[in-house]
Amino acid sequence: AQSVTQLGSHVSVSEGALVLLRCNYSSSVPPYLFWYVQYPNQGLQLLLKYTSAATLVKGINGFEAEFKKSETSFHLTKPSAHMSDAAEYFCAVSAPGSARQLTFGSGTQLTVLP
Amino acid sequence: EAGVAQSPRYKIIEKRQSVAFWCNPISGHATLYWYQQILGQGPKLLIQFQNNGVVDDSQLPKDRFSAERLKGVDSTLKIQPAKLEDSAVYLCASSSTAGSQETQYFGPGTRLLVL
Repeated sequence: AQSVTQLGSHVSVSEGALVLLRCNYSSSVPPYLFWYVQYPNQGLQLLLKYTSAATLVKGINGFEAEFKKSETSFHLTKPSAHMSDAAEYFCAVSAPGSARQLTFGSGTQLTVLP
Repeated sequence: EAGVAQSPRYKIIEKRQSVAFWCNPISGHATLYWYQQILGQGPKLLIQFQNNGVVDDSQLPKDRFSAERLKGVDSTLKIQPAKLEDSAVYLCASSSTAGSQETQYFGPGTRLLVL
């Protein structure tokens, strides 16, 4: 079984400040990990994914995430927030070789303050 | 490349009525997913198709929900009869294969309100 916990359902940052969105996972096997972004009234868009290659993964729009096995974490960061980053962010996990696909966290709503 | 198309975008019905949602995946994508996203929660997988066969429908409430993917392209998700707790956004996604590392591409969703 696999699960994802996103700490903080709402995060607010000032424009230009560091963005840090937390994700911890539980998986019985080394997982694949994903971050998706959802803008209002739109579907989810992939930001980045970890599939057991480099532990530091770079994605679109300046986001990156680091897989830390010892901490079972996959936190999402961006050095400098932009107003256009305001959206909901979902962390998801899948187990290699499993029939079950993505298991999503409950999401973190990011607000960027001017 | 055209994305995943869904219709309708919004639907309001009364409880006990029936409703159907349509999805057209990205051309050539063999795998199609339907998710239910309740307000304040992450998407939950309802059913996964590989071509026109069902791979996983373990979380589909089969007493009221049904889905089909005739000819392995378009798909329809139906709810009959609807309950209040079915109010949610129904997302369709597709991927080129069924591998667990594959990127899923999502449509804009259908927002259902059951009164």
